[in-house]
Amino acid sequence: ETGVTQTPRHLVMGMTNKKSLKCEQHLGHNAMYWYKQSAKKPLELMFVYSLEERVENNSVPSRFSPECPNSSHLFLHLHTLQPEDSALYLCASSPVAGGTDTQYFGPGTRLTVL
Amino acid sequence: GQSLEQPSEVTAVEGAIVQINCTYQTSGFYGLSWYQQHDGGAPTFLSYNALDGLEETGRFSSFLSRSDSYGYLLLQELQMKDSASYFCAVRLNTNAGKSTFGDGTTLTVKP
Repeated sequence: ETGVTQTPRHLVMGMTNKKSLKCEQHLGHNAMYWYKQSAKKPLELMFVYSLEERVENNSVPSRFSPECPNSSHLFLHLHTLQPEDSALYLCASSPVAGGTDTQYFGPGTRLTVL
Repeated sequence: GQSLEQPSEVTAVEGAIVQINCTYQTSGFYGLSWYQQHDGGAPTFLSYNALDGLEETGRFSSFLSRSDSYGYLLLQELQMKDSASYFCAVRLNTNAGKSTFGDGTTLTVKP
């Protein structure tokens, strides 16, 4: 247990569906991150939030929409996804964004887009 | 751009020592991290080097040479449970705390 939880753990959706991924951290951290991990590819940073403000948007398609209502919760809203978006989506948190802080990862949501 | 290179696969036997290398080309280097990820699990932090030299944490050690843009993770007294993927990640000196990850090295420990 890293103190970062993600729901759901598995999600199958069609290309026309709308769904949301949820991340919650119980560590009192101020920074939260979304990563995408595809098979045979490195972890790709998608978004960074620091104190509920988005500080990094790594050229992610608009069909992925993040939301950070407070420093403990992070959402990733999904709509009109493509099959190539199927991947493991990992949430992470760190005390602050930047510097030497270690990131603590959640277990991930395994997303399959049909 | 940013790039990291590490071997895709390494195999070793229980009790042995294995070294996983990582070379990087990045702008704005801050430090090198190592993460372990078991199949189906989340990456977990192992070590971090910001300065040249060796950092030791139990059976695991990590080394950094900034002048060579090179680092490695050393695993000693290998155990079966060490079978996992190991990622090096360069932490960039940006306010956003961005890290760029390598492709990962799959370590298989055999009896």
